[in-house]
Amino acid sequence: DAMVIQNPRYQVTQFGKPVTLSCSQTLNHNVMYWYQQKSSQAPKLLFHYYDKDFNNEADTPDNFQSRRPNTSFCFLDIRSPGLGDTAMYLCATSLGGGYGYTFGSGTRLTVV
Amino acid sequence: GDSVTQMEGPVTLSEEAFLTINCTYTATGYPSLFWYVQYPGEGLQLLLKATKADDKGSNKGFEATYRKETTSFHLEKGSVQVSDSAVYFCALSQGGSEKLVFGKGMKLTVNP
Repeated sequence: DAMVIQNPRYQVTQFGKPVTLSCSQTLNHNVMYWYQQKSSQAPKLLFHYYDKDFNNEADTPDNFQSRRPNTSFCFLDIRSPGLGDTAMYLCATSLGGGYGYTFGSGTRLTVV
Repeated sequence: GDSVTQMEGPVTLSEEAFLTINCTYTATGYPSLFWYVQYPGEGLQLLLKATKADDKGSNKGFEATYRKETTSFHLEKGSVQVSDSAVYFCALSQGGSEKLVFGKGMKLTVNP
C-alpha cells in the first residue's frame, strides 16, 4: 500500500561520484518535490515539478538536478557529491495548491 | 516571506504527562497549517491539519487549533506514550503556492 516509494533507503557514495536517487508514486499526484534534510534540521525544499514544469529553488546548488520522465517517477541526480551533501533526501507529492502532501520514507545518503 | 517558529527542544517527558508544543507563524493571507511527525529513520507523516481560522485538527489524541488572532497552532496531547517519541514539525502552506514552510522541529522523548 506504499504510495510514495523511495529507493534506495540507504546509499553510500564516494566524494565526487555521481549518484541518482529515485522516487515513484501511485497517487497520480500532479506535483512531486525533493527535500534535503540534514541532521537535526527541518527539511529544505530543493525543487519541485508541477506536471512537467520544473521549479528550482533559488538557493539550490547547480550540483543538484532532477528529472521527471512521467507522472509516476522523479529522480534526483547529484553530479559531484560533496561531504556536505550527506543528508536524508525526502520525496513528496501533492495534488497541487498545497493539498494532499504525502512524503516517502526517504533515502539516507552518506558521502565518504 | 512566510515563516514558522516553534519550540525546538529537545524535550523529555514521562509517560502520561501533558504535552504542549508551541507554534506561531508569519504569513500573508490565510495559510493552511500542519503538524508532521518524524519517527527515527523515517520520512514525515502528516499528524493533523487545519485549513481555516478556528478549525481544530485532531489525530491519535493530538489536537491543535488554528488561532488567527494569535497566529498560532499549538500542538497538545493530554497523556503521552513512549510510542510518541519522535520529532514534531509545524508547517504552513499558502493557497496557490506549492511549498511547505517548516519550523525547525522539536524532538520529544517519552520515558516509561
